[in-house]
Amino acid sequence: DTGVSQNPRHKITKRGQNVTFRCDPISEHNRLYWYRQTLGQGPEFLTYFQNEAQLEKSRLLSDRFSAERPKGSFSTLEIQRTEQGDSAMYLCASSLRETGKAFFGQGTRLTVV
Amino acid sequence: AQTVTQSQPEMSVQEAETVTLSCTYDTSESNYYLFWYKQPPSRQMILVIRQEAYKQQNATENRFSVNFQKAAKSFSLKISDSQLGDTAMYFCAFKETSGSRLTFGEGTQLTVNP
Repeated sequence: DTGVSQNPRHKITKRGQNVTFRCDPISEHNRLYWYRQTLGQGPEFLTYFQNEAQLEKSRLLSDRFSAERPKGSFSTLEIQRTEQGDSAMYLCASSLRETGKAFFGQGTRLTVV
Repeated sequence: AQTVTQSQPEMSVQEAETVTLSCTYDTSESNYYLFWYKQPPSRQMILVIRQEAYKQQNATENRFSVNFQKAAKSFSLKISDSQLGDTAMYFCAFKETSGSRLTFGEGTQLTVNP
């Protein structure tokens, strides 16, 4: 499978715990994006990497959220001290250059109880 | 800031018929991309079609075509010969040519009935 891969697919956590998600983009893609999608809504942009550099962050990305892409390949998104409002689908996408064609992974569904 | 509006929360169509999904957007930019993405119940977002704003010709991908009206800031998706597998949530999205983020509409749930 050469598509965008996200792990885990589902995560249930207790409020206050930390969680980390992983995204493996399409191998030749140097751009990587994180989005958050709540039920019945369109995805909302969180952050963007070009290679290992994090070039843009949304105001949605509070201090409890951090993302990394240490070697310009896979990326991780960590949420500290989770809250019930963090429950959502977290989507990763990648693209090559600025062609505009972003390819999405299947997402990680987070449920905070 | 750019906004994308999809005014039809739900639509349905009979198999083999044609359906059109509407999208309007607001931007002060002159160069940008517009997209339609499909999200089936499995939840993976799939790119359906892309339009570059500087191109006057409407994009077409097999049974999918768009009606791009730049002055009206309108970007509708036409699905011909609808198939059961077209049942999904459809999102319209905008991206500045020089930007990184996609801005999505709220989606239209399309159901194709047998």
